[in-house]
Amino acid sequence: EAQVTQNPRYLITVTGKKLTVTCSQNMNHEYMSWYRQDPGLGLRQIYYSMNVEVTDKGDVPEGYKVSRKEKRNFPLILESPSPNQTSLYFCASSSGGAGIAETQYFGPGTRLLVL
Amino acid sequence: AQSVTQLGSHVSVSEGALVLLRCNYSSSVPPYLFWYVQYPNQGLQLLLKYTSAATLVKGINGFEAEFKKSETSFHLTKPSAHMSDAAEYFCAVLKAAGNKLTFGGGTRVLVKP
Repeated sequence: EAQVTQNPRYLITVTGKKLTVTCSQNMNHEYMSWYRQDPGLGLRQIYYSMNVEVTDKGDVPEGYKVSRKEKRNFPLILESPSPNQTSLYFCASSSGGAGIAETQYFGPGTRLLVL
Repeated sequence: AQSVTQLGSHVSVSEGALVLLRCNYSSSVPPYLFWYVQYPNQGLQLLLKYTSAATLVKGINGFEAEFKKSETSFHLTKPSAHMSDAAEYFCAVLKAAGNKLTFGGGTRVLVKP
């Protein structure tokens, strides 16, 4: 089954304790992206990757890191989480490159609470 | 810069009634436009997308949307609401360079029996 998976689905942590949220897709997609969802703000892009070893900032990259060492995986790293990073996080992937309106497929989400 | 505005953060409709969700966009170039649905505790699922072909786009679950360039709108409709349509709906515009989706704030739909 074609899908985007995220782990963990729920996470409670404390300020400053490094964490990683994993994202994996099995569709051989080149493009992957991370979003955060906050009430009334919709989804905002954190980082994206056009291909292996190619990443770039989205609209709200502060406090986050990513890496793309393999095509299927795109982990999101919070090196020193703060309470304002409490949010619902989504990973997405698509096959299209620039100029192509390919559908983005979303993972089930990771709900993060930073105390 | 691109932006998306969804009018109404909450919409309540009766079962069997028309569903109308409003979306207006701003874009400096002809846009690619999307509607996604999010059911409780799930990720986003594509309902439909506009890619500069037909202006009336039909999607899944009986939804459709009409692209109106003169009004910079891409409103989503369904003739007859079903209880299973209760969800949050997001309109989004795609920036081709960087493949970035810019989302509206979302509209939560409540369906009353």
